[in-house]
Amino acid sequence: AQTVTQSQPEMSVQEAETVTLSCTYDTSESDYYLFWYKQPPSRQMILVIRQEAYKQQNATENRFSVNFQKAAKSFSLKISDSQLGDAAMYFCAYRRGGSEKLVFGKGTKLTVNP
Amino acid sequence: NAGVTQTPKFQVLKTGQSMTLQCAQDMNHNSMYWYRQDPGMGLRLIYYSASEGTTDKGEVPNGYNVSRLNKREFSLRLESAAPSQTSVYFCASSESGRAVGYTFGSGTRLTVV
Repeated sequence: AQTVTQSQPEMSVQEAETVTLSCTYDTSESDYYLFWYKQPPSRQMILVIRQEAYKQQNATENRFSVNFQKAAKSFSLKISDSQLGDAAMYFCAYRRGGSEKLVFGKGTKLTVNP
Repeated sequence: NAGVTQTPKFQVLKTGQSMTLQCAQDMNHNSMYWYRQDPGMGLRLIYYSASEGTTDKGEVPNGYNVSRLNKREFSLRLESAAPSQTSVYFCASSESGRAVGYTFGSGTRLTVV
């Protein structure tokens, strides 16, 4: 079974600085997709960024980017110019190609200090 | 706004009571899901439905039943609630065959006393 590991239960960053959240996954599949979700205190789950395994280029969405290392099975999220509104739980997730199921890590709580 | 609607947002039950969590989506998605979120555990899949008329167990199905009433609606039922089912429950939907991620509802905070 696929597993997703987020080794940092909590992280903090100063406003305007850069922070990287770690995620590793275990799979024997070659066709899969990876996601980062943000959950602010409102509880709403918000898709931040996604990456297809077959793409070598790292995905970028404004201040959010990933470092996808396929051989190492690593999928870290970098947040640049951190803002107070970035404070949230962040979940890494994996979906095998052709599967309907999304497997989540346990999450990293990010605090942004003013 | 288009999306996934869950009701209720909050609920307190006594041990042994039953209840149904409702979920509806208006995005014409084939697949729908129920997850529970517990502190330090992330989100764990309870049941999912890949299409109207089909349902499958996820990682933690014990104590729950589901019904895919039609393409839009997917309900989760607790027949005899237990304190271990105290959690936040999320419904989600997605397009089939495309890994575009899920669209989530806003969640239901359930407390069983």
